Amino acid sequence: SQTIHQWPATLVQPVGSPLSLECTVEGTSNPNLYWYRQAAGRGLQLLFYSVGIGQISSEVPQNLSASRPQDRQFILSSKKLLLSDSGFYLCAWSVPGYSYNSPLHFGNGTRLTVT
Amino acid sequence: DAKTTQPPSMDCAEGRAANLPCNHSTISGNEYVYWYRQIHSQGPQYIIHGLKNNETNEMASLIITEDRKSSTLILPHATLRDTAVYYCIVRVRTSGSRLTFGEGTQLTVNP
Repeated sequence: SQTIHQWPATLVQPVGSPLSLECTVEGTSNPNLYWYRQAAGRGLQLLFYSVGIGQISSEVPQNLSASRPQDRQFILSSKKLLLSDSGFYLCAWSVPGYSYNSPLHFGNGTRLTVT
Repeated sequence: DAKTTQPPSMDCAEGRAANLPCNHSTISGNEYVYWYRQIHSQGPQYIIHGLKNNETNEMASLIITEDRKSSTLILPHATLRDTAVYYCIVRVRTSGSRLTFGEGTQLTVNP
């Protein structure tokens, strides 16, 4: 069966520091991968998605970037964190290709607090 | 994107059926209706999805009207653990097969 791992679960970082959040998926090949963010009391916002190694699409301009160095690894990064980067970051995967008849599966998220 | 409209909050008594409505009047013929829920401080959990026919799984039932302009998620015997925000999403055919979440319905199951 497929599993998705995110770490760390919680993170407190000072303003201006770098960020690296990692997500890995097991049990599937060439999945679609997604990064979402949820600010406090708000809905989920799609940040990036990837349909293959090295293929990253950005949904909103921001202080963050994403990379996919391996088939089942998705990394969210920032060179210098802002206070507004605080939130709940969620990674998700779905079967490869444009399959609208299969769900996204989410990890347990990383709660980031920028101080 | 096809917009969905859900009530911001609902209450349900434990053991009773919870019926969560969703309007999606601009849905296109090949767009799926998905339901997720999010329990506080956890990632969204997939519940069920459908295109035209009613669907049932171990978690819930999804009833889609014949004109597909609305749907209802049914939790047949709600428990306290079903307290969560429930999202109804129309999955449009855009690149990346992504999902766009709205505000959802806060369901509170009361003892």
